[in-house]
Amino acid sequence: DTEVTQTPKHLVMGMTNKKSLKCEQHMGHRAMYWYKQKAKKPPELMFVYSYEKLSINESVPSRFSPECPNSSLLNLHLHALQPEDSALYLCASSQVGKAGDTQYFGPGTRLTVL
Amino acid sequence: GENVEQHPSTLSVQEGDSAVIKCTYSDSASNYFPWYKQELGKRPQLIIDIRSNVGEKKDQRIAVTLNKTAKHFSLHITETQPEDSAVYFCAASRTGNQFYFGTGTSLTVIP
Repeated sequence: DTEVTQTPKHLVMGMTNKKSLKCEQHMGHRAMYWYKQKAKKPPELMFVYSYEKLSINESVPSRFSPECPNSSLLNLHLHALQPEDSALYLCASSQVGKAGDTQYFGPGTRLTVL
Repeated sequence: GENVEQHPSTLSVQEGDSAVIKCTYSDSASNYFPWYKQELGKRPQLIIDIRSNVGEKKDQRIAVTLNKTAKHFSLHITETQPEDSAVYFCAASRTGNQFYFGTGTSLTVIP
């Protein structure tokens, strides 16, 4: 399996809702990432997990809460989001997160916050 | 931190012509430079990458060149086809777990 999968593909939520995004990979990668991408802009790094431990948090608001239950799974828990949080949320993975590693992206979850 | 600039922001070429996209980076310690292609509504897909110990790499119609002294790298697409139309992002990395992306180039290949 050489793919990163993400569910759901689309998500519409109100500002008071709680929802979760899920990412899965079975390539044996030990580094996983969450990115946020607005239309026609590059992906912006949010979080990095390395060997199931949070290693980078790019000053993301606490309404976004990541979780890495095991080496294959990465979740992003959402609570009390704002309309400006509407974006494509991309998950990626790489072998170990060292210099020269390639990052492979999932198809993304398109999130709309009403 | 690293700063990656990418030019041009939009590029239109006739089918069969070549396309060149250029990126410059600021951190001389960056050692890995991937290029991603992103079609509308789809995921970024790695199309080619180069490491700092190599000056040029080619894969069929796609090539990347790296000039470490000048701190710039370029993507070259020859014999362009309509399916090459997409947004292309360059990136630079020195640690592996942090990619610094360019602002993207929207390429349109006119049939």
